[in-house]
Amino acid sequence: AQRVTQPEKLLSVFKGAPVELKCNYSYSGSPELFWYVQYSRQRLQLLLRHISRESIKGFTADLNKGETSFHLKKPFAQEEDSAMYYCAPPWSGSARQLTFGSGTQLTVLP
Amino acid sequence: GAVVSQHPSWVICKSGTSVKIECRSLDFQATTMFWYRQFPKQSLMLMATSNEGSKATYEQGVEKDKFLINHASLTLSTLTVTSAHPEDSSFYICSARGPAGVTQYFGPGTRLLVL
Repeated sequence: AQRVTQPEKLLSVFKGAPVELKCNYSYSGSPELFWYVQYSRQRLQLLLRHISRESIKGFTADLNKGETSFHLKKPFAQEEDSAMYYCAPPWSGSARQLTFGSGTQLTVLP
Repeated sequence: GAVVSQHPSWVICKSGTSVKIECRSLDFQATTMFWYRQFPKQSLMLMATSNEGSKATYEQGVEKDKFLINHASLTLSTLTVTSAHPEDSSFYICSARGPAGVTQYFGPGTRLLVL
């Protein structure tokens, strides 16, 4: 089945270290993928869309067709980056609804 | 930016009772609203999609008679958990999108505990 996979449920890095949250997909072509973030006690919010190629809060994500990956990267992690990160596959259904990967809990240690 | 609110933020009820959760788009017209469910330490699971003025579309495995969704206006959708049981205890999150929108905006969630 077509889906996204986040292989790491938990990821810890030290402040100032680079961080990479993995997301692999099984869709063909150039799927439009998303990264959403949920900070503690806050609502889910959009972090990045593949198609916009933006850098938000220092995070970037590039679609790698060869590896079928859409990893989220930041060169220098900050403690406030600690949160739950979800990779989301392309919209599905006639209503273009979002579904989510299993998520990765990132903890940035001081 | 667009804001989505939910009420109540948490609710405790007895088994067998019904609980209604409201989802409102505060500063935009939400032609489409989505309801998700999230168990502890798990991802969000889409339950249903609703378009204003029409019946909701439920995901496979979600009982439509148990989770009643009403999207009567462009700013309000309600989820009613009927005859709630302890296994319905969960975190329910709604999201909304405008007519020409791309982004789904999420509510803060409602925590339901059924005793």
